[in-house]
Amino acid sequence: EVQLVESGGGVVQPGRSLRLSCAASGFNFDDYAMHWVRQGPGKGLEWVSRISWNSGGIDYTDSVKGRFTISRDNAKSSLYLQMSSLRTEDTAFYYCVKDRTGGGSYLFDFWGQGSLVTVSS
Amino acid sequence: DIQMTQSPSALSASVGDRVTITCRASQTIDNWLAWYQQKPGKAPNLLIYKASSLESGVPSRFSGSGSGTEFTLTISSLQPDDLATYYCQQYKRYSTFGQGTKVQIK
Repeated sequence: EVQLVESGGGVVQPGRSLRLSCAASGFNFDDYAMHWVRQGPGKGLEWVSRISWNSGGIDYTDSVKGRFTISRDNAKSSLYLQMSSLRTEDTAFYYCVKDRTGGGSYLFDFWGQGSLVTVSS
Repeated sequence: DIQMTQSPSALSASVGDRVTITCRASQTIDNWLAWYQQKPGKAPNLLIYKASSLESGVPSRFSGSGSGTEFTLTISSLQPDDLATYYCQQYKRYSTFGQGTKVQIK
């Protein structure tokens, strides 16, 4: 059974940093691209970032470029999102999401339960 | 950027009703369109991919159609378990989602 378990969320002041982690199990993690997708409280879904199976391909949505860094450790079956210079508009549930392919088709076939990040003074 | 527009934003229907949700893309996306179901307090779940392909394990009352810029999700006979918000997503170029359609049961 595919499982994606996020951790690392919490309350942080504007301008500070936070690191999210996602532990994957139930599939060959190093065969698939992975993503972070976020959802503001009561709002819609927004794709944030993609990393290919071998970390050779990385993309970000414009609003987080230069502030967020996605990475993965295939030996640990783990995905990460380093978030810096956080803004109030970054407040959201952050979902760890598995891609259907290794390179990244952007078709999201399994989602974690989400980790809440609240940016507030 | 490719923008996705869903309609309606919310609907209320009775058990057994046929329900249709529409999604429009700002430019052609061929058939690179997926539908997701998000139940209250839960993560989204993939229902349909490539506009009309049913994801494994998804009930056959769900179907998708369309290509280019106009797409529909149909629930042939609404069930109480279908209470959820439904999102379309284009994945032709990166990913963008529609704003969601909240389905309520009368």
